Amino acid sequence: EIVMTQSPATLSVSPGERATLSCRASQSVSSNLAWYQQKPGQAPRLLIYGASTRATGIPARFSGSGSGTEFTLTISSLQSEDFAVYYCQQYNNWPPITFGLGTRLDIK
Amino acid sequence: EVQLVESGGGLVQPGGSLRLSCAASGFTFSSFWMSWVRQAPGKGLEWVATIKQDGSEKFYMDSVKGRFTISRDNAKKSLYLQMNSLRVEDTAVYYCARTPSSTSCYGDYWGQGTLVTVSS
Repeated sequence: EIVMTQSPATLSVSPGERATLSCRASQSVSSNLAWYQQKPGQAPRLLIYGASTRATGIPARFSGSGSGTEFTLTISSLQSEDFAVYYCQQYNNWPPITFGLGTRLDIK
Repeated sequence: EVQLVESGGGLVQPGGSLRLSCAASGFTFSSFWMSWVRQAPGKGLEWVATIKQDGSEKFYMDSVKGRFTISRDNAKKSLYLQMNSLRVEDTAVYYCARTPSSTSCYGDYWGQGTLVTVSS
């Protein structure tokens, strides 16, 4: 089973600043990585797939990068609606499909 | 507009059974793989099961193998999860998610979830 490790667990950033979230896989997942955003009481929303492709309707301030075992989600200028929990998920070697434990993005 | 609506959750005793349903609309249901993902209270996301377009291939997480069965009815545009021998640790919100393919096995659209509580 591929273990996905996200860091930091919590990130505090001011609106308008850049946020950088990390995700590491225990073995290579190529570019088969997705990022999700989840707000309290809501379902997850797909942000990025294929490590760097934005999903339909996702603003350009969200970008993904990386391949192999190291991945980054960058939010270039934080808006109030971006404060949420973010999860990475690998789908290169499954079953099982595995998620990271999440990074909580808080307002500083 | 893609819509996924789950139903069937509720309170059940340990050892009991529940059947979850997910009604799909706004896309050609029979063209997509589909998945169930769960989230225990205050915890992260956990993949449960995935099914191929025609139901011929099914995959499960280890802890639910032999207890849960994923199925679909393409004529009714519906996905199901039959859950038997439920355990306290199965308590979670269960989401259905559209899954583009076996090589793109992520959830591009999600339902709002249905809560399953296993407790005596």
